[in-house]
Amino acid sequence: AQSVTQPDIHITVSEGASLELRCNYSYGATPYLFWYVQSPGQGLQLLLKYFSGDTLVQGIKGFEAEFKRSQSSFNLRKPSVHWSDAAEYFCAVGGTGNQFYFGTGTSLTVIP
Amino acid sequence: AAGVIQSPRHLIKEKRETATLKCYPIPRHDTVYWYQQGPGQDPQFLISFYEKMQSDKGSIPDRFSAQQFSDYHSELNMSSLELGDSALYFCASSLDGGYNEQFFGPGTRLTVL
Repeated sequence: AQSVTQPDIHITVSEGASLELRCNYSYGATPYLFWYVQSPGQGLQLLLKYFSGDTLVQGIKGFEAEFKRSQSSFNLRKPSVHWSDAAEYFCAVGGTGNQFYFGTGTSLTVIP
Repeated sequence: AAGVIQSPRHLIKEKRETATLKCYPIPRHDTVYWYQQGPGQDPQFLISFYEKMQSDKGSIPDRFSAQQFSDYHSELNMSSLELGDSALYFCASSLDGGYNEQFFGPGTRLTVL
């Protein structure tokens, strides 16, 4: 069965520091992987996606993610965090059929 | 660029009432998905439609039903509302019903009192 695990429920980083949010997935074939960001009370905005090809994917707002098949991971990174990056981050995998499977999310707090 | 439109944005209902949520996909998108996100939870897939036919079904309660109309908009009908139905309901749309990027709407926040 498809599933996504985000081990870190909450992360706090200082503004300007680097960030890495972890995502591990379970999927029987080549996965389609996504990272979404959600601000409080808002919808989900796509940061980046991986379908195939280059395993290092660039997204919006300076984010990138690296697909590592051997580790079943798709970690999200940003070299320098801005206060506006504080939000909830969801990793998702495209499963059989059409549905997405979301991780439980990582809440990011950015301190000045 | 046009985005997914959901209405209403906020809805307050009493227990045992009914509610109808509407979703208007991005123009030319033929697939619609519904998700439920409880407080502090991740979005849970409810149901999807491709070309007006149900294409996949998730954890949608029997009290809920949905359909996609000829103009591709979709409606989620919820009956006999319970307190636990209070959540943010997202609609997403995509093209060709496959593993394409899903574009999410802003959500409808349903509160059941």
